Amino acid sequence: AQSVAQPEDQVNVAEGNPLTVKCTYSVSGNPYLFWYVQYPNRGLQFLLKYITGDNLVKGSYGFEAEFNKSQTSFHLKKPSALVSDSALYFCAVRPQTGSQGNLIFGKGTKLSVKP
Amino acid sequence: GAGVSQSPSNKVTEKGKDVELRCDPISGHTALYWYRQRLGQGLEFLIYFQGNSAPDKSGLPSDRFSAERTGESVSTLTIQRTQQEDSAVYLCASGDNPYGYTFGSGTRLTVV
Repeated sequence: AQSVAQPEDQVNVAEGNPLTVKCTYSVSGNPYLFWYVQYPNRGLQFLLKYITGDNLVKGSYGFEAEFNKSQTSFHLKKPSALVSDSALYFCAVRPQTGSQGNLIFGKGTKLSVKP
Repeated sequence: GAGVSQSPSNKVTEKGKDVELRCDPISGHTALYWYRQRLGQGLEFLIYFQGNSAPDKSGLPSDRFSAERTGESVSTLTIQRTQQEDSAVYLCASGDNPYGYTFGSGTRLTVV
């Protein structure tokens, strides 16, 4: 079955430190990969995507993610965390074949950045 | 409008009642998705519309759930005979290509 795994329910980081939110996937073919952020009582906001090309993708708010095909991972990173980055982060995958374009989401990782 | 609009933003209903949730996609977006997010959980796919093709209903949890969309316009998600386990935030997203999806702010449904 096709799936997305976010192995950490919560990530705690001190402000100014680098952060990583992990994502691995299990889908056939070469998928499209996405990261979304959800602030309390808000909808999902798009952060970045990988479609093809350079494995390092840069997105909104200073976030970036690295696609690693051999490890089937797409970890989200930021060099210096801000308290305002505290939110729920979702990794999503769209298989290029089948499923008519449905996005498959991970369960989310809560990021907490302390001053 | 500029974004995906969902209404109502909050809905409290009694167990057993029917509810209808509305999604106004971004104009021109051919794809429309409904997802459910239970408290503290990830997003659960419900249904996907792509243009005039037959929708992908594979995520609907029971026959109490149905959705409609005419062409590339508004979509409605209907839940009949609501149960307490239906309480969740229902999110709609639309897109015009395989690469980008814009989400609405969701409808928070509470079944009491």
